[in-house]
Amino acid sequence: GDSVTQMEGPVTLSEEAFLTINCTYTATGYPSLFWYVQYPGEGLQLLLKATKADDKGSNKGFEATYRKETTSFHLEKGSVQVSDSAVYFCALSDHQGGSEKLVFGKGTKLTVNP
Amino acid sequence: SQTIHQWPATLVQPVGSPLSLECTVEGTSNPNLYWYRQAAGRGLQLLFYSVGIGQISSEVPQNLSASRPQDRQFILSSKKLLLSDSGFYLCAWKQNTEAFFGQGTRLTVV
Repeated sequence: GDSVTQMEGPVTLSEEAFLTINCTYTATGYPSLFWYVQYPGEGLQLLLKATKADDKGSNKGFEATYRKETTSFHLEKGSVQVSDSAVYFCALSDHQGGSEKLVFGKGTKLTVNP
Repeated sequence: SQTIHQWPATLVQPVGSPLSLECTVEGTSNPNLYWYRQAAGRGLQLLFYSVGIGQISSEVPQNLSASRPQDRQFILSSKKLLLSDSGFYLCAWKQNTEAFFGQGTRLTVV
């Protein structure tokens, strides 16, 4: 079945450091890939997405590239801020196989210190 | 624009009591609807999803159930809560590829 594996947290960085959160996936079809962010006490918000191979999603300085050859969708940001502290979830939606499931990784908690 | 409403925001229930969490979506029709549970340190677990009225798919066997009596209404229920049902419950809707989440319900079973 479809699954998403993302790096275990927590991740603690200093402000302006470079961020990478790894994400790999397994899917039977041709999934769309997403990164969601959850700020403390809130629901999830879509951060960025990519719907086909080699697409790059970007938003708020975050980027992720859909790599079909490595089945990966790693999240990166060149210079993190304290306000980026949150839990980040990688997810996939595999609509090609007829499934409507939206599958998430376990989340990675990021803490950015001033 | 589309919005999703989920209530209540917090709930404290005794063991053995019933549960009903409601989620409604506005501004769209025939969405796919989802219930997730987020337990401490365990990420997001898909509980149920629905592609239409009366159509419910269950992902994890448990003492919870879901119903979709109307196109834009999705209800999560239990007849008797367990301590292990405590967690943060999230409703979501999806049309095409993108999903949108409610603000969540923090359930504490005591």
